[in-house]
Amino acid sequence: NAGVTQTPKFRVLKTGQSMTLLCAQDMNHEYMYWYRQDPGMGLRLIHYSVGEGTTAKGEVPDGYNVSRLKKQNFLLGLESAAPSQTSVYFCASSPGANVLTFGAGSRLTVL
Amino acid sequence: GQSLEQPSEVTAVEGAIVQINCTYQTSGFYGLSWYQQHDGGAPTFLSYNALDGLEETGRFSSFLSRSDSYGYLLLQELQMKDSASYFCAFLDTDKLIFGTGTRLQVFP
Repeated sequence: NAGVTQTPKFRVLKTGQSMTLLCAQDMNHEYMYWYRQDPGMGLRLIHYSVGEGTTAKGEVPDGYNVSRLKKQNFLLGLESAAPSQTSVYFCASSPGANVLTFGAGSRLTVL
Repeated sequence: GQSLEQPSEVTAVEGAIVQINCTYQTSGFYGLSWYQQHDGGAPTFLSYNALDGLEETGRFSSFLSRSDSYGYLLLQELQMKDSASYFCAFLDTDKLIFGTGTRLQVFP
């Protein structure tokens, strides 16, 4: 089992460009999450989904959009990247919200 | 609002015992979790307390007091490989909200 796979692992963007981060899980989990991690800030929840076709806002949703068209995939989109979105992004999945399995992370730099 | 507080850094020597405290503030609370993260790695699940009391898993134990909005992670027989960041997180309905983490440095 691969667990939670994030694509890409690294990306450099210019301000104003758009991109999509893909998260795929093969554990048949209902819940999926996108967090960002910045030095000294811990993990902050961006958006999450409690099942296929559902999405909800987390603590820091501005500037991001998400979609959960298939149960196994959770996409995070940046429509117009800003330097403040430079961060490490972690996707996680869970069968019931209390035990999360994280992906390896995606390091995004916005110049 | 929602918040968690934990010390930013803790140091200890091999073989010692260390306790990492966590206090939280939230209107919705279902339980307290702990995660470990090594530098450059992903967070990994350590423990979850839904009820008051102590949960033990090998060298690690986690405690929760809902009336005090307080919990702690206890690490015994410290090893060098325990050097990492430790995050507490509370479960609010269907999402985990994380603290800013405690960096544990274990010295020989």
